[in-house]
Amino acid sequence: NAGVTQTPKFRILKIGQSMTLQCTQDMNHNYMYWYRQDPGMGLKLIYYSVGAGITDKGEVPNGYNVSRSTTEDFPLRLELAAPSQTSVYFCASSRSHTLAGGGADTQYFGPGTRLTVL
Amino acid sequence: QQQVKQSPQSLIVQKGGISIINCAYENTAFDYFPWYQQFPGKGPALLIAIRPDVSEKKEGRFTISFNKSAKQFSLHIMDSQPGDSATYFCAANTGTASKLTFGTGTRLQVTL
Repeated sequence: NAGVTQTPKFRILKIGQSMTLQCTQDMNHNYMYWYRQDPGMGLKLIYYSVGAGITDKGEVPNGYNVSRSTTEDFPLRLELAAPSQTSVYFCASSRSHTLAGGGADTQYFGPGTRLTVL
Repeated sequence: QQQVKQSPQSLIVQKGGISIINCAYENTAFDYFPWYQQFPGKGPALLIAIRPDVSEKKEGRFTISFNKSAKQFSLHIMDSQPGDSATYFCAANTGTASKLTFGTGTRLQVTL
């Protein structure tokens, strides 16, 4: 299994350009997530999905859009890139069933995409 | 609003020493507390996790101590090694869609 893969690894955008960050997982996980990581700020949840066709906003969704047409893929779209979107973006996935007694399951992260907006 | 506070921001420990990273949370609905380890240029990976029905969990050199009444939990790395040098994130989860709220991270450097 490749796990969670992300493309591209690096990208430089000009202000106002758009792009799509790709994320694919081969673990048949129902739950998928997009985070951004800024220095000293930890990881902030942008959007998440609990299954194909179902997405919802996280903590910092403004300026981003997502879609989930298949279980495997969860692309993140930036429509009008701004310098504030300069960050490292991580995609993650997890199983949907919980362990006995409730609680969460492990999130598996991709290697990240480093995006710079100039 | 930050719901998981992590300290210190950075930590330097000598080889063989004990590394201690602390986290505090506010939301009593959190029911799962993982620690993630991240090496430069890589994505975070689960290191160890605990649920609130136990006060301690140990896996090798890594131990989580959990204090439910104080709403605090900590990661202890015994016999710290240079290979442990990484950024460590605590997190908490409410059980809804397995979403995680992360702390701000601790950069650990283990010196020879």
